[in-house]
Amino acid sequence: GEDVEQSLFLSVREGDSSVINCTYTDSSSTYLYWYKQEPGAGLQLLTYIFSNMDMKQDQRLTVLLNKKDKHLSLRIADTQTGDSAIYFCAERGEGSSASKIIFGSGTRLSIRP
Amino acid sequence: DTAVSQTPKYLVTQMGNDKSIKCEQNLGHDTMYWYKQDSKKFLKIMFSYNNKELIINETVPNRFSPKSPDKAHLNLHINSLELGDSAVYFCASSREFGELFFGEGSRLTVL
Repeated sequence: GEDVEQSLFLSVREGDSSVINCTYTDSSSTYLYWYKQEPGAGLQLLTYIFSNMDMKQDQRLTVLLNKKDKHLSLRIADTQTGDSAIYFCAERGEGSSASKIIFGSGTRLSIRP
Repeated sequence: DTAVSQTPKYLVTQMGNDKSIKCEQNLGHDTMYWYKQDSKKFLKIMFSYNNKELIINETVPNRFSPKSPDKAHLNLHINSLELGDSAVYFCASSREFGELFFGEGSRLTVL
């Protein structure tokens, strides 16, 4: 079945760039998403990329997609303390898999002063 | 205006009890979902409804029964609660094949 994997923890210094990586198994993925979850809150969509794109930039966020390797990354430039959260990678398939979004385990990003 | 709202936000109950969580969305979306997030933050889809019709029913015990009275509401009823049901339950909605909008979650603790 479909699977999405991420490393569980990342620690970066304030002001540095954070890069969160994700791999997925479903080669028919149509959309790939990055969600952010702050403590005690629901998940908020940060950005998404369509599978026929290889890069998307949105202010401090850059998404890179390597469809051949089924690898997705999220780069956060100039990381701030407010970026501390859990970041979830997610994918939506096509056909019979299009009706659900599968989430990775989440990467907990912590910021060092 | 809250886009996806769930009630209650916290629920503490004894094993064996029956409880319900309600969800409403005012985004005009056709599809609604229930996800379960465990203590390790893993997020797993349980159910999805599209226009009141059940379209996803993952491997979930029969004790869990979703109900969608209309496309803006999706409720989750749980019978005979067990310790392992303790989790945060998230409701979400989307346009068909669009991104998910999540509620704030309902934290269920079974004692």
